[in-house]
Amino acid sequence: SQQGEEDPQALSIQEGENATMNCSYKTSINNLQWYRQNSGRGLVHLILIRSNEREKHSGRLRVTLDTSKKSSSLLITASRAADTASYFCGDRDDKIIFGKGTRLHILP
Amino acid sequence: NAGVTQTPKFQVLKTGQSMTLQCAQDMNHEYMSWYRQDPGMGLRLIHYSVGAGITDQGEVPNGYNVSRSTTEDFPLRLLSAAPSQTSVYFCASSYNRRTEAFFGQGTRLTVV
Repeated sequence: SQQGEEDPQALSIQEGENATMNCSYKTSINNLQWYRQNSGRGLVHLILIRSNEREKHSGRLRVTLDTSKKSSSLLITASRAADTASYFCGDRDDKIIFGKGTRLHILP
Repeated sequence: NAGVTQTPKFQVLKTGQSMTLQCAQDMNHEYMSWYRQDPGMGLRLIHYSVGAGITDQGEVPNGYNVSRSTTEDFPLRLLSAAPSQTSVYFCASSYNRRTEAFFGQGTRLTVV
């Protein structure tokens, strides 16, 4: 398992706009997962995308995976105040190593 | 179904004291992990386990011990607490190496 690097480190957008954050790796990806953390609380799983998948949707979430670029992106459409949180990616095998995350702030 | 339960929620220790952070899950998950989270550092893996009797080191194992005598429990021991171990600690579990991880609500530890 390897550490992902999320980009950007912080992002502020107006409510209703779309938010995009990225995750990159140095080696091949196994099973990439995205998690959300509300302030001070445990992480909550959002979505998993396997190495043989290119895109996955869950409600307002859309995740893409580009294995040739060793990167993934998380798109949150029509953002809401409740989306304010930190978002982490992690490659999944026996363990998950997380990056430092993207702090998303939705402005009213 | 309680999920992943961590105790205590808050703890203050003096330098040199020892303590055990408890983690229990009731989902019959084989995989369990401990993380620490410091400001600006994200989550760093301390130790993990892929089943009862099996543990391995993560990114920052020094100063911490673990054991996994049962599937349900994965305690984290600090043998001699140091101020550098002041952090928020999270326990996580998952069914296998391909499934989502469930996290506890964290233990906020301060070492003075």
